[in-house]
Amino acid sequence: ETGVTQSPTHLIKTRGQQVTLRCSSQSGHNTVSWYQQALGQGPQFIFQYYREEENGRGNFPPRFSGLQFPNYSSELNVNALELDDSALYLCASSPKTALQETQYFGPGTRLLVL
Amino acid sequence: AQKVTQAQTEISVVEKEDVTLDCVYETRDTTYYLFWYKQPPSGELVFLIRRNSFDEQNEISGRYSWNFQKSTSSFNFTITASQVVDSAVYFCALRKVNNNDMRFGAGTRLTVKP
Repeated sequence: ETGVTQSPTHLIKTRGQQVTLRCSSQSGHNTVSWYQQALGQGPQFIFQYYREEENGRGNFPPRFSGLQFPNYSSELNVNALELDDSALYLCASSPKTALQETQYFGPGTRLLVL
Repeated sequence: AQKVTQAQTEISVVEKEDVTLDCVYETRDTTYYLFWYKQPPSGELVFLIRRNSFDEQNEISGRYSWNFQKSTSSFNFTITASQVVDSAVYFCALRKVNNNDMRFGAGTRLTVKP
């Protein structure tokens, strides 16, 4: 069984640019959640996608957006990058919705905004 | 409001010592889920346990054990006979039953020295 994978592993961008991060969910999982983890802090929930629809969102501005594809893989897009967007971005997948199921995390993408 | 507090920022022990990681949470909900995750240096969050609020039975899994006390809003994690491979950051998390937003504590960095 293939686990959650994310790409790229590392990324460097400059302020004002746009970035797209990708996540492939674990086999059999149809729900993907995205988290932002700043250095030295716990992960913060950005949003979740279930069957290609947004299914809950944390306290993040609209320049954070996402997509989920028919194969349940997902993208996180961040526009107008700010220095504070530098963080580890984690993707987690779970079967059904995450309401009752455990989320399994990928290795993350480390984003540095200069 | 939901909140998770891990008061221990860093703990250092010598191999074979027992160590307890504290987790205190706040929620107004009567039903919720509690989690522990391990984050090794590679960055990937590894699921350890999920506990439902209506199940206060303590759990043991090998060298790991969890003590859930609803009366004190605590969900502590004990590692018995610690090993160097246990070195990681450990996160406690809380999630409402009807909500996708999982709230993480700030984490406890455990270092096990040989």
